[in-house]
Amino acid sequence: DAMVIQNPRYQVTQFGKPVTLSCSQTLNHNVMYWYQQKSSQAPKLLFHYYDKDFNNEADTPDNFQSRRPNTSFCFLDIRSPGLGDAAMYLCATSRDLGANEKLFFGSGTQLSVL
Amino acid sequence: QKEVEQDPGPLSVPEGAIVSLNCTYSNSAFQYFMWYRQYSRKGPELLMYTYSSGNKEDGRFTAQVDKSSKYISLFIRDSQPSDSATYLCAMFISGNTGKLIFGQGTTLQVKP
Repeated sequence: DAMVIQNPRYQVTQFGKPVTLSCSQTLNHNVMYWYQQKSSQAPKLLFHYYDKDFNNEADTPDNFQSRRPNTSFCFLDIRSPGLGDAAMYLCATSRDLGANEKLFFGSGTQLSVL
Repeated sequence: QKEVEQDPGPLSVPEGAIVSLNCTYSNSAFQYFMWYRQYSRKGPELLMYTYSSGNKEDGRFTAQVDKSSKYISLFIRDSQPSDSATYLCAMFISGNTGKLIFGQGTTLQVKP
């Protein structure tokens, strides 16, 4: 059974057209993360929520925003996608924050920008 | 210098071979080490998790950590075509940071 579900699997958008990616979880975990992974590169953390507390990475562009309306759902909004934002976007969850916590990933959304 | 270095490969081996995948890191504050497997167009899945220096075995997989050398390895015995994937090392700094740092990943192909 899928525990971290990302929709859609593939998303095509136009340059500058806002796009929203969604993630849901059935694990009831406190923490939800968004990672960006470009081809043949390491996943890069964009931000995470601990419950309703939002934590943005210092180098995450302002173009990227996130919302977590409840425990189960988290959204990634890209306000004005550029060609450089084409990537796989990975949602992950963990029960709590801390170095001994295990992350569970969704299957990702592959974003193309035309 | 990247915090975590991993040879991207690709690495191609025949079925049944022993595979060695490696990562080095520069920050001695890294204390918790993981290996994730990522199939094409899928999210990473946790394979191995270890904290202390030494070896940890799980079936055909062995994770090895050498904190003095800042070097971690994943060994796969009796490799199978189904092991063909990208293997990402990842590590946490000790403390409540919530930030997992990944290596670039090594792409492995096991040929039947």
